[in-house]
Amino acid sequence: GAVVSQHPSWVICKSGTSVKIECRSLDFQATTMFWYRQFPKQSLMLMATSNEGSKATYEQGVEKDKFLINHASLTLSTLTVTSAHPEDSSFYICSASPPGAIYEQYFGPGTRLTVT
Amino acid sequence: DAKTTQPPSMDCAEGRAANLPCNHSTISGNEYVYWYRQIHSQGPQYIIHGLKNNETNEMASLIITEDRKSSTLILPHATLRDTAVYYCIAPGGNMLTFGGGTRLMVKP
Repeated sequence: GAVVSQHPSWVICKSGTSVKIECRSLDFQATTMFWYRQFPKQSLMLMATSNEGSKATYEQGVEKDKFLINHASLTLSTLTVTSAHPEDSSFYICSASPPGAIYEQYFGPGTRLTVT
Repeated sequence: DAKTTQPPSMDCAEGRAANLPCNHSTISGNEYVYWYRQIHSQGPQYIIHGLKNNETNEMASLIITEDRKSSTLILPHATLRDTAVYYCIAPGGNMLTFGGGTRLMVKP
């Protein structure tokens, strides 16, 4: 099946610093990737839709200047959490869809971010 | 997205079939039903999807009622590794919306 990787799997950073998370589709090209956030004991919340070669579409309430998304190629999207705060600590998960199958999303293993 | 309703939790004995229900009474005629699961601290995993016919793959079977207002995901022989949160989604737009799901606990 389709494989999506994320790096790093976990990261600890200090308040005020920035963290970049990578999401790669390993065996298929993805024109669209999605970024989700999940707080403990809660469901996944979509943050933004990342489209190759164009600006990301952010969900209501998600600050686009704080969560920078770049989808520079058909196999790589990055999420940068800028000026991180402890409340940004969460589990960040990306997903990608093969061409023509937008709902059949394949998820990465997630990145656990802890901001101290 | 059509609203879906799932029981918050279920238990199943190892080796027995796990039947996970989902109500989606407001689903429209061209909306598929998708099932995903999330094992603790991992990304969700796609399981199966269907429109109106029953579907089966190597992971599970999906039974959709004739009126399409509900469906059941069947894991024929549940194992301990099937313990996870199972999400039933009927996406109407261009994205998946995850609700609370059903926390399935498979017990020895």
